[in-house]
Amino acid sequence: QVQLVESGGGLVKPGGSLRLSCAASGFTLRDYDMSWIRQAPGRGLEWVSYISSSSSYTNYADSVKGRYTISRDNAENSLYLQMNSLRDEDTAVYYCARGVYGGKTHDYWGQGTLVTVSS
Amino acid sequence: DIQMTQSPSSLSASVGDRVTITCRASQSIIRYLNWYQQKPGKAPNLLIYAASSLQSGVPSRFSGSGSGTDFTLTISSLQPEDFTTYFCQQSYSTPLTFGGGTKVEIK
Repeated sequence: QVQLVESGGGLVKPGGSLRLSCAASGFTLRDYDMSWIRQAPGRGLEWVSYISSSSSYTNYADSVKGRYTISRDNAENSLYLQMNSLRDEDTAVYYCARGVYGGKTHDYWGQGTLVTVSS
Repeated sequence: DIQMTQSPSSLSASVGDRVTITCRASQSIIRYLNWYQQKPGKAPNLLIYAASSLQSGVPSRFSGSGSGTDFTLTISSLQPEDFTTYFCQQSYSTPLTFGGGTKVEIK
């Protein structure tokens, strides 16, 4: 069955860095576009970043542009999010999600990994 | 950026009620509109895509309609497991944007 498992979250100080990983199984990752989407505690959903199936195209929310980098290793069935210069407002649960129906509709999501930015 | 305005932000209803949630886009998104259900502590679950297509495995009591800027999610007969939060999302263009959510509570 399709499964997405995020890891790499944790507590980090403002200005610090983290690298999130998303391990995919039950499907062929290279066939799908992928996104990272986050949700601050008690808040709504915020799309963070998108990567096309071949990595030829990436896109970012303005709030993270220049600080975050999305990447993927299709051979390893993994998606990544490198997060630098972290801010308090980046505190959230981060989900990886599979894109379908044009790549920007998300049919499977991971369970999420919590990133807490605090001094 | 396309703004998605969802209403109401919360509603109270009873088991068996018909419920409608609306989502309005700040510009035309044709039919690039998705609906998700999210239960506490869980990831969102895709219910409806392309405004009115039911995702595989989703009960038929859920339906979607609309085009352009105005969209609705209807639950024809609320079940106990439906009392949770719903989000719309436009997939027309990046940045992808979500509505603020509608929490469906038990009356």
